[in-house]
Amino acid sequence: SQTIHQWPATLVQPVGSPLSLECTVEGTSNPNLYWYRQAAGRGLQLLFYSVGIGQISSEVPQNLSASRPQDRQFILSSKKLLLSDSGFYLCAWSFGGANQPQHFGDGTRLSIL
Amino acid sequence: GQQLNQSPQSMFIQEGEDVSMNCTSSSIFNTWLWYKQDPGEGPVLLIALYKAGELTSNGRLTAQFGITRKDSFLNISASIPSDVGIYFCAGPPANTDKLIFGTGTRLQVFP
Repeated sequence: SQTIHQWPATLVQPVGSPLSLECTVEGTSNPNLYWYRQAAGRGLQLLFYSVGIGQISSEVPQNLSASRPQDRQFILSSKKLLLSDSGFYLCAWSFGGANQPQHFGDGTRLSIL
Repeated sequence: GQQLNQSPQSMFIQEGEDVSMNCTSSSIFNTWLWYKQDPGEGPVLLIALYKAGELTSNGRLTAQFGITRKDSFLNISASIPSDVGIYFCAGPPANTDKLIFGTGTRLQVFP
């Protein structure tokens, strides 16, 4: 069976510092991978998605970037964090193709001070 | 862009009661998904629907894919305290690899 891991679970960072959140999937090959942000009490906003190594699609202009250096690894980064980057970040995977359900990691709670 | 509207926004019910919530779209969807999110965790897939009119159950949960393909419903029977959380509907726009998520229904269950 497939599993997805995100880390760290919580992170407190000062404004202007860099960021690296990591997500890995086990038990499948060539998954689609997704990064979402969720503001407190709100819905999920898709930030990036990837259908293969080195292929990244950005959904909204922002201070963040994503990379997929390996088939089952997805990284969310920033060079300089802003206060507005605070939130709950979720990684998800799905099988390739349309109409596939996505399966989520446990999330990273990011607080910017 | 496409939006998914969920109602009600929140529900406060007593343990043992049945719950109904729905999700509507401005355009047709070919797949409807229902997720539950516990506080501080990622959403977990509850039910997936792939055909108009389809009715699918998962334990005490039952979901239906609306005939018009623009809506879906989730029912929870005999609610228990662990049903507390936020329920999201989701669907892929125009057969893409992405999902649009609804605004969520927050459920509180009192003993």
